[in-house]
Amino acid sequence: NAGVTQTPKFRVLKTGQSMTLLCAQDMNHEYMYWYRQDPGMGLRLIHYSVGEGTTAKGEVPDGYNVSRLKKQNFLLGLESAAPSQTSVYFCASSRPTGNSWELFFGEGSRLTVL
Amino acid sequence: TQLLEQSPQFLSIQEGENLTVYCNSSSVFSSLQWYRQEPGEGPVLLVTVVTGGEVKKLKRLTFQFGDARKDSSLHITAAQPGDTGLYLCAGGFPEYGNKLVFGAGTILRVKS
Repeated sequence: NAGVTQTPKFRVLKTGQSMTLLCAQDMNHEYMYWYRQDPGMGLRLIHYSVGEGTTAKGEVPDGYNVSRLKKQNFLLGLESAAPSQTSVYFCASSRPTGNSWELFFGEGSRLTVL
Repeated sequence: TQLLEQSPQFLSIQEGENLTVYCNSSSVFSSLQWYRQEPGEGPVLLVTVVTGGEVKKLKRLTFQFGDARKDSSLHITAAQPGDTGLYLCAGGFPEYGNKLVFGAGTILRVKS
């Protein structure tokens, strides 16, 4: 079972370059999320989607764009990378469990912006 | 200011010792989750608690949800090196709908 797969796992960019991170899930989950993880900051929500064709802003959306053209895929784009976007990015999908939502995470994508 | 505060930030103990980590908020949680993350991997859900005063056990791990649903604790009995990792709490808040808010985490290192 693949679960949530992120590509690429590692990437180094120069300031101003663009790139796209791809997230794919095979669990037929409606909800998908992009988080960034920085030391001492925990996981912060960038953007999320509640279904195919929908996206919404999270806690730290500036400098990022997303698209959910297919239910199983959630793309995170950086149009003009900045050093402040150096981070580990995690994609997650979720299913409801009672009164809460269980998140399934990918292995992360480490991005360095020089 | 973090909506969720976790303490301690870092804990280094010897194998066999007991430990407790805490997760606190000034707001009421609709639910509270604990995740464990190992280096190079994504977080994995350990438990979800939704009822004030609820206690759940997972082998040597005991999770407690405060009566007022503003705090939670994770207690590990007889810690083992395999318990080493980052422990994250994540709270569901009514005003945030289905989006979880994560704490900064507690890094646990268990030495053999």
